[in-house]
Amino acid sequence: DIQMTQSPASLSASLGETVTIECLASEDIYSNLAWYQQKPGKSPQLLIYYANSLNDGVPSRFSGSGSGTQYSLKINSLQSEDVSIYFCQQNYDSPPTFGSGTKLEIK
Amino acid sequence: EVQLVETGGGLVQPGRSLKLSCVASGFTFNNYWMSWTRQAPGKGLEWVASITNSGGSTYYPDSVKGRFTISRDNAQNTLYLQMNSLRSEDTATYYCTRATTVAFDYWGQGVMVTVSS
Repeated sequence: DIQMTQSPASLSASLGETVTIECLASEDIYSNLAWYQQKPGKSPQLLIYYANSLNDGVPSRFSGSGSGTQYSLKINSLQSEDVSIYFCQQNYDSPPTFGSGTKLEIK
Repeated sequence: EVQLVETGGGLVQPGRSLKLSCVASGFTFNNYWMSWTRQAPGKGLEWVASITNSGGSTYYPDSVKGRFTISRDNAQNTLYLQMNSLRSEDTATYYCTRATTVAFDYWGQGVMVTVSS
């Protein structure tokens, strides 16, 4: 199975700041990488697919990048509603596997 | 609007069975693969099962293979997960998800399954 290592496990930042979350795959996943946002008490929602394609309705302050084994999610101009757990997921090989999550809080 | 509504969760003893259902609306159900994904309390996400749009093929991780069965009724726009021989480690919130080639693009609200004596 492809292992997804996500960092950091938790992150605290101020409103308006820019934050970056990293995801490292154990082998090349050829950009088959999705990012999900899970707000407190809610189900996950798709933010980004194919490493850098923004899902419909997702604010443009979210962006994804990367290739090969290394990927990142960047959130510009942090807002209070961005408080969530963020997960990466590889969709290149079965079984689909997720990172362990990054909990984002506001300072 | 795409909606996925799961039912059937609850408290069950180890070794017993439970069947989850997910009613889909807002899209052409038989055009999409569907999946179940779970999340243990305070933990990460784990894919549990997938089924092709016709229902002709199913896929599972080793952790549930032989115990869980995913199925669908395209006439009723409903996805199922039959869970047998349940273990404490199956305790989780189970999400019905629409699966595309690039991601799980829609998730239900989730249903809690607790396996405990």
